[in-house]
Amino acid sequence: QQQVKQSPQSLIVQKGGISIINCAYENTAFDYFPWYQQFPGKGPALLIAIRPDVSEKKEGRFTISFNKSAKQFSLHIMDSQPGDSATYFCAAQLETSGSRLTFGEGTQLTVNP
Amino acid sequence: EPEVTQTPSHQVTQMGQEVILRCVPISNHLYFYWYRQILGQKVEFLVSFYNNEISEKSEIFDDQFSVERPDGSNFTLKIRSTKLEDSAMYFCASKPRYEQYFGPGTRLTVT
Repeated sequence: QQQVKQSPQSLIVQKGGISIINCAYENTAFDYFPWYQQFPGKGPALLIAIRPDVSEKKEGRFTISFNKSAKQFSLHIMDSQPGDSATYFCAAQLETSGSRLTFGEGTQLTVNP
Repeated sequence: EPEVTQTPSHQVTQMGQEVILRCVPISNHLYFYWYRQILGQKVEFLVSFYNNEISEKSEIFDDQFSVERPDGSNFTLKIRSTKLEDSAMYFCASKPRYEQYFGPGTRLTVT
């Protein structure tokens, strides 16, 4: 019940295209859903996050769409650039403010020039 | 911009040896975490620390692991007797309330 499922495992997109990564969760007590970007040899960097009281959040080229009834959320990267090539992890956190992050399996995104 | 720092960046040790991984969280953050990531896999939670005590730990965090906040800035993870399967990237994270900020990690190689 603590799991977060992420797909696809890998994604190849042309420069300027839209990258879409999906995640699903089971535990309805999760109330904070961040996305992290990780470059090889580096730590995960917080990209964007959403709470379940909104259905969408946009920051620049990055948008999270959230479907509470379906227990799914997704990351959309508009106008994808080669510099966006990285591994993306979705995550979820319980309502307790000190609680852990539960990560998805990760998506390796490659944006071709 | 403040950031989480970790030392060393790479630690090589022999099986059975003790290692201490060090982290300096962002000052004024209240919650501290250790995660690990085996090569090519997802990030896994190890332990969380709040108010000078462990608040939660995973099944991975057995008696071989311990954490300490020896002073007002450092946060350490000790592995008493390393095993080959402890080889991984170890990430420290801290947060003020919701957003967790990760350090660059320590690559631990057990030979």
